Amino acid sequence: KQEVTQIPAALSVPEGENLVLNCSFTDSAIYNLQWFRQDPGKGLTSLLLIQSSQREQTSGRLNASLDKSSGRSTLYIAASQPGDSATYLCAVTGDSGYALNFGKGTSLLVTP
Amino acid sequence: NAGVTQTPKFQVLKTGQSMTLQCAQDMNHNSMYWYRQDPGMGLRLIYYSASEGTTDKGEVPNGYNVSRLNKREFSLRLESAAPSQTSVYFCASTLTGGVYGYTFGSGTRLTVV
Repeated sequence: KQEVTQIPAALSVPEGENLVLNCSFTDSAIYNLQWFRQDPGKGLTSLLLIQSSQREQTSGRLNASLDKSSGRSTLYIAASQPGDSATYLCAVTGDSGYALNFGKGTSLLVTP
Repeated sequence: NAGVTQTPKFQVLKTGQSMTLQCAQDMNHNSMYWYRQDPGMGLRLIYYSASEGTTDKGEVPNGYNVSRLNKREFSLRLESAAPSQTSVYFCASTLTGGVYGYTFGSGTRLTVV
């Protein structure tokens, strides 16, 4: 069974810092990996999608990398802002109807 | 461009009552999913429909039933609600195999008293 782990569970940084969120998965036979953002009481917003054949994806201040062989992905956020405060979820596509397997998330707080 | 629409957004049920959560997508996606999200547990798959006409159990199917009504709609039914089913429920869809990623609805917050 695919297990997805996110470290740290919570992170607090001052505005302007660059930061890295980590995601690891136990079964390297994935189809893709997706990073989501979730604001309190809200749904999931897709940030970045990395196919299993890709090494990284970038969108604005966000960069996600994937090392399938080692079962790891990182989400890099440059020049963090208070508006980045949210929970970030990592999910990999498994083989049960291609359903997503989620980590428990990293709760990020960016202080002014 | 509605994406994935879930109704209702909030619901309070008494133990033993039944209800159906509705989900519809307008992106011509083939696969649809129901997840529940609980504090400390993350998102867990309840049921999924890989394509129209098929449904399969996920990680936590007990106490739920689903219907893939057509390509657009995938409903989740609680036949006899229990307090343990208090949760936030999310519906998601993808084209096929998640190649282009997944789109989630805004969720249904259900409380069973």
